[in-house]
Amino acid sequence: DTGVSQDPRHKITKRGQNVTFRCDPISEHNRLYWYRQTLGQGPEFLTYFQNEAQLEKSRLLSDRFSAERPKGSFSTLEIQRTEQGDSAMYLCASSRAGITDTQYFGPGTRLTVL
Amino acid sequence: AQSVTQLDSQVPVFEEAPVELRCNYSSSVSVYLFWYVQYPNQGLQLLLKYLSGSTLVKGINGFEAEFNKSQTSFHLRKPSVHISDTAEYFCAVTINTNAGKSTFGDGTTLTVKP
Repeated sequence: DTGVSQDPRHKITKRGQNVTFRCDPISEHNRLYWYRQTLGQGPEFLTYFQNEAQLEKSRLLSDRFSAERPKGSFSTLEIQRTEQGDSAMYLCASSRAGITDTQYFGPGTRLTVL
Repeated sequence: AQSVTQLDSQVPVFEEAPVELRCNYSSSVSVYLFWYVQYPNQGLQLLLKYLSGSTLVKGINGFEAEFNKSQTSFHLRKPSVHISDTAEYFCAVTINTNAGKSTFGDGTTLTVKP
């Protein structure tokens, strides 16, 4: 069990550029979650997948955000035309299928938009 | 919609002293309750969770929490803290839907002084 990994750990980009983050969940976990955490606040839910199906998206996830989980394995989160307000820590978590199952979090990707 | 309020943003305490981190929640439906710890530059790690049954829940690292339905609280306690307990602590709730997504409080920074 190697845990949840995220890549890159840090990303600095200029406003207007596109960025893509990757999350590799624990191998036998069906569910994958994306959260966003800004300074001084707790994580906020963005979206989640059950296998390859994206089942729920938060209102926080504007049209500039898109997430995929092809083949139900790793997931990518893309932000198009980044804005300074997108600067945050993006966290990925995975769990087994039950809603009471423990979510295991990755170390996060810190995005800074200049 | 559910919400979580962590009543103290920062809690300084001396080593070997007891500590309580307070968490209140609001929800119109039944919830599951969680406490996570986040060490610097690391992902969130589950400390303990309340799903049902006994209202006193024991977790890792000597932490425990008590669910109080009438007061809608889930306070975290430890009888004697160590320097290594210095970290950010997050309370979270999950409502009983298929999503399993969590709503987090804004965190409490616990600083243990020698």
